[in-house]
Amino acid sequence: QVQLQESGPGLVKPSETLSLTCTVSGGSISTYFWSWIRLPAGKGLEWIGRIYTTGSTNYNPSLKSRVTMSVDSSKNQFSLELNSITAADTAMYYCAREVREVLSGYYYYYIDVWGKGTTVTVSS
Amino acid sequence: SSELTQDPAVSVALGQTVRITCQGDSLRTFYASWYQQKPGQAPVLVIYDKNNRRSGIPDRFSGSSSGNTASLTITGAQAEDEADYYCNSRDSNTNHVFGSGTKVTVL
Repeated sequence: QVQLQESGPGLVKPSETLSLTCTVSGGSISTYFWSWIRLPAGKGLEWIGRIYTTGSTNYNPSLKSRVTMSVDSSKNQFSLELNSITAADTAMYYCAREVREVLSGYYYYYIDVWGKGTTVTVSS
Repeated sequence: SSELTQDPAVSVALGQTVRITCQGDSLRTFYASWYQQKPGQAPVLVIYDKNNRRSGIPDRFSGSSSGNTASLTITGAQAEDEADYYCNSRDSNTNHVFGSGTKVTVL
C-alpha cells in the first residue's frame, strides 16, 4: 500500500522560501502524478500544483509565480518550493498522489492517496 | 469562472438525508468529485466521475449533477459522517479547483 510522508521545516520566516519533500513508500513514483495541497486554518483546501515523473508540471494560477515543483525518481521523492513566503502561507501542507482518467474527452485527476500533512507556520 | 461555491454548514438528524450542493459555471462542462475531511485527518476521496463511489465508501453516499450544480447526498446519515466536505472539479487547464467546503453536523 502506497504511503506518503511530508518532511520539512515547521517554521519559516517571512520572505524566505518554504521547501517541503514528500517521500513515497510502498510503490513506485513512476507513471503517476504527484501534487501538493494546503489547508489554511479556518479555510478550505487549496490545490498548489502537480508534477509528473517526467518533470511536467501544472500550477495553481494564483501561486504559479512563487511555486516550483521537482521530482527525484531515484529517491522516490518529489518536492515543493514556495518563495516569498508571507503569513498567508501558514497552513497544513499535504502531498498526494493523483490518478488521471479520460471522461467525455476531458482529462480528470483524482487524488487517491494523501500524506498525513505537515504544519507550516510563517513567523519571524 | 472556475470558482466553486458551497454552503458553509448544514446539519442533519441521525438517520436522515442531507444534500450538500456545489455551484459553479465550470460544472456545466466538467464533472465534480467530492472529498470528506474529518478533524485532524487528511481528506478522503468519496465520489468521483460525478457519481462513482471510491472503494470502501458506503453506498449511502451518492453524487449527482444538474446544470451548474453538483450535489452529494448522504441517505441515512451516521455519526461518523460528521466532517467537512469539499467538491472538486477542474478548470480549462486541468488544474484542480476546490469548493469552499461544507461542514456537516449530525445531530
